[in-house]
Amino acid sequence: SQTIHQWPATLVQPVGSPLSLECTVEGTSNPNLYWYRQAAGRGLQLLFYSVGIGQISSEVPQNLSASRPQDRQFILSSKKLLLSDSGFYLCAWSVDRASVFGPGTRLTVL
Amino acid sequence: GQQLNQSPQSMFIQEGEDVSMNCTSSSIFNTWLWYKQEPGEGPVLLIALYKAGELTSNGRLTAQFGITRKDSFLNISASIPSDVGIYFCAGLPVNAGKSTFGDGTTLTVKP
Repeated sequence: SQTIHQWPATLVQPVGSPLSLECTVEGTSNPNLYWYRQAAGRGLQLLFYSVGIGQISSEVPQNLSASRPQDRQFILSSKKLLLSDSGFYLCAWSVDRASVFGPGTRLTVL
Repeated sequence: GQQLNQSPQSMFIQEGEDVSMNCTSSSIFNTWLWYKQEPGEGPVLLIALYKAGELTSNGRLTAQFGITRKDSFLNISASIPSDVGIYFCAGLPVNAGKSTFGDGTTLTVKP
């Protein structure tokens, strides 16, 4: 069966520190992969999506970057976190037009 | 880019009441999707609609793909406390690989 993993589940980081969030998918090949951010009580903001290894499209100019070093691995990074980077980060992959979301990472930047 | 207008933004209802929410767009979509997100978790797909006019049920949930392909609604009948959460609509246009999401409807059910 297909599963999606994200870690860590929660993260507290100081302003100016680097960030690396990892997402891996099992049970499928060549998935479309997505990173979303969700502010408290708000909607989903698409940050990046990828249709294949090394192929990244950025939706919103910001302090973050994404990479896809392997077919089923999607990484969200930052060199220096800002307070405004706090939020709930969701990785997703699409199958048959619907998206399957991971459990999310709660990031708090202090 | 395409935008979805989802309404209402929030609902406070009594247990047992029916719920209705909808999404509209100025663009045509080929697929409409409805998700539910519980606190601290990722959204989970509830219903997928693939044809204009399609009406699909999943237990107490019913969703329809509008005939103009620019709107969709979700109804929940006889709400229960575990229905609480944020409900998102999403649309997929003809040739795009990514969904456009509405801003969500936050549902609170009072016992």
